[in-house]
Amino acid sequence: RKEVEQDPGPFNVPEGATVAFNCTYSNSASQSFFWYRQDCRKEPKLLMSVYSSGNEDGRFTAQLNRASQYISLLIRDSKLSDSATYLCVVILNTGGFKTIFGAGTRLFVKA
Amino acid sequence: DTAVSQTPKYLVTQMGNDKSIKCEQNLGHDTMYWYKQDSKKFLKIMFSYNNKELIINETVPNRFSPKSPDKAHLNLHINSLELGDSAVYFCASNPGLAGGVGELFFGEGSRLTVL
Repeated sequence: RKEVEQDPGPFNVPEGATVAFNCTYSNSASQSFFWYRQDCRKEPKLLMSVYSSGNEDGRFTAQLNRASQYISLLIRDSKLSDSATYLCVVILNTGGFKTIFGAGTRLFVKA
Repeated sequence: DTAVSQTPKYLVTQMGNDKSIKCEQNLGHDTMYWYKQDSKKFLKIMFSYNNKELIINETVPNRFSPKSPDKAHLNLHINSLELGDSAVYFCASNPGLAGGVGELFFGEGSRLTVL
């Protein structure tokens, strides 16, 4: 089983739609959680951290469920510019820190 | 100013050759990394250095040898290139402890194609 699993998609949604991505992680030593965004042929960039209480940044909402070991990202009012791959990232603390990336979920927002 | 810069951006070479990719960061970070992103888009860590010292060395063939002359630079040398080495190699840096606590800042990537 992969340490971090995501639905690869692609998700094809119209502008203005709400779309949600889920990510599951297998190691209970996972300590910190993030969503990164990667545009086609570009480097990954941090989108937002994910906190236990859930957090929101504009149209983006991230949730963490430690009991079920999953993380979610909700995008409201999708824009064309949201088209990208969204990477779920987990940091394990097993004596040392290790960053694990999911393979990403591709999103296409259509006009 | 580019925070994490790597060169070259594109590299096309024959099997069996030796090549290097260079990385520099001007963020003052202590920790630098090399990641490999293959055709299936998995980003996998290869190496991590904290203040010039090797901290993480994942299961990577010993044809790959990182070198950190100072904490702002982390270079990657690859000997005897194989077809399976074709990928995008990303350099990254992070201000925190080795392993990537907090935000990782990535370079633009170096796309290596082995023919």
